[in-house]
Amino acid sequence: KQEVTQIPAALSVPEGENLVLNCSFTDSAIYNLQWFRQDPGKGLTSLLLIQSSQREQTSGRLNASLDKSSGRSTLYIAASQPGDSATYLCAVGVNNDMRFGAGTRLTVKP
Amino acid sequence: GAVVSQHPSRVICKSGTSVKIECRSLDFQATTMFWYRQFPKQSLMLMATSNEGSKATYEQGVEKDKFLINHASLTLSTLTVTSAHPEDSSFYICSARDLAGPGTEAFFGQGTRLTVV
Repeated sequence: KQEVTQIPAALSVPEGENLVLNCSFTDSAIYNLQWFRQDPGKGLTSLLLIQSSQREQTSGRLNASLDKSSGRSTLYIAASQPGDSATYLCAVGVNNDMRFGAGTRLTVKP
Repeated sequence: GAVVSQHPSRVICKSGTSVKIECRSLDFQATTMFWYRQFPKQSLMLMATSNEGSKATYEQGVEKDKFLINHASLTLSTLTVTSAHPEDSSFYICSARDLAGPGTEAFFGQGTRLTVV
């Protein structure tokens, strides 16, 4: 059974810092990996999608990497801003559905 | 990206009543939609996979008679929580893919906060 783990569970950084969020999964047989942002009480906003054949994707200040063989992905956020404060979820595509990690709750202090 | 609209965003109902939540794909056709449940500070747990024109596939432990799913068209899936109890209070989120295949990006609705009193 696929298990997705995100470390750390919570992270607090001062504004302007670069940071890395980690995601690991137990079964490397995935179709893709997707990073999401969730604000309190809201739905999910897709940030980056990495197909299983890809190693990274970039969008603005965000860069996500994927190492399928080791079961790991990282989300790098450059020059963090208070508006980046949210919970970040990673999910792996397995068969026809997705398995989610518990998320990392990020707080960026002004 | 594609847009998935979920309605209502928030609902309060009395114990024993039923609540219907709608999930619509606004600019694409979704042969498959997914319903998730999220408890506070926990991740999303897949409840069921909704297939257009056929019965939903439920995850282990999810009561299909309690959580009725209908996917009558390529743009609409509904989740009905029947005979709601306070323990059904949760955040429900739907998602859809643009194609039926497993490798495409998933888009999520805004979620529905259900409170059963």
